[in-house]
Amino acid sequence: AQKVTQAQTEISVVEKEDVTLDCVYETRDTTYYLFWYKQPPSGELVFLIRRNSFDEQNEISGRYSWNFQKSTSSFNFTITASQVVDSAVYFCALDPTGTASKLTFGTGTRLQVTL
Amino acid sequence: EPEVTQTPSHQVTQMGQEVILRCVPISNHLYFYWYRQILGQKVEFLVSFYNNEISEKSEIFDDQFSVERPDGSNFTLKIRSTKLEDSAMYFCASSEPQGVNTEAFFGQGTRLTVV
Repeated sequence: AQKVTQAQTEISVVEKEDVTLDCVYETRDTTYYLFWYKQPPSGELVFLIRRNSFDEQNEISGRYSWNFQKSTSSFNFTITASQVVDSAVYFCALDPTGTASKLTFGTGTRLQVTL
Repeated sequence: EPEVTQTPSHQVTQMGQEVILRCVPISNHLYFYWYRQILGQKVEFLVSFYNNEISEKSEIFDDQFSVERPDGSNFTLKIRSTKLEDSAMYFCASSEPQGVNTEAFFGQGTRLTVV
């Protein structure tokens, strides 16, 4: 069975602060894929990143960065210099196939960025 | 940019009624999915569909649910006799033929309210 845990239910920061969203996963598969999705107040799911279990390199995309640590089964997401538009619910997800055909989502972290 | 389109955006139905949620996947995609998100909770996998048949389904996807690809463009989720607990946001997703870089693209969701 697979499980994704996002222990932070809600985080509130002031604009320009850095914030890290935690994600811890459990799986017995040796090959798997990890994802982050953003769900803004409008409700849609926006894909942010996919990472396979063989690639432990950290990734940076603009203000976003991801830290994958297989040894601790974690895939944390950092937003640098947060902005009000970053306010959303962020979901971490796990998929054994790489095709996102059966994603197991975490419960999400609600990020509130205020002025 | 191609996108997955879902209609309607919001549907209200009476308990016991049948409801059909519609989705138009991205045109060259071959894999289709439905996910559900009960308000304030995590996103849950319902079913995946490929080559005109269900490839995988979760325990949530019981006999009350069915999926169909009635023509070359639409992908529908039918709930035969809705219950109050079916109230949720339903997301359709699609993906290309399986490959290393496959990802699922999600629609904007249909909010189903059963009264």
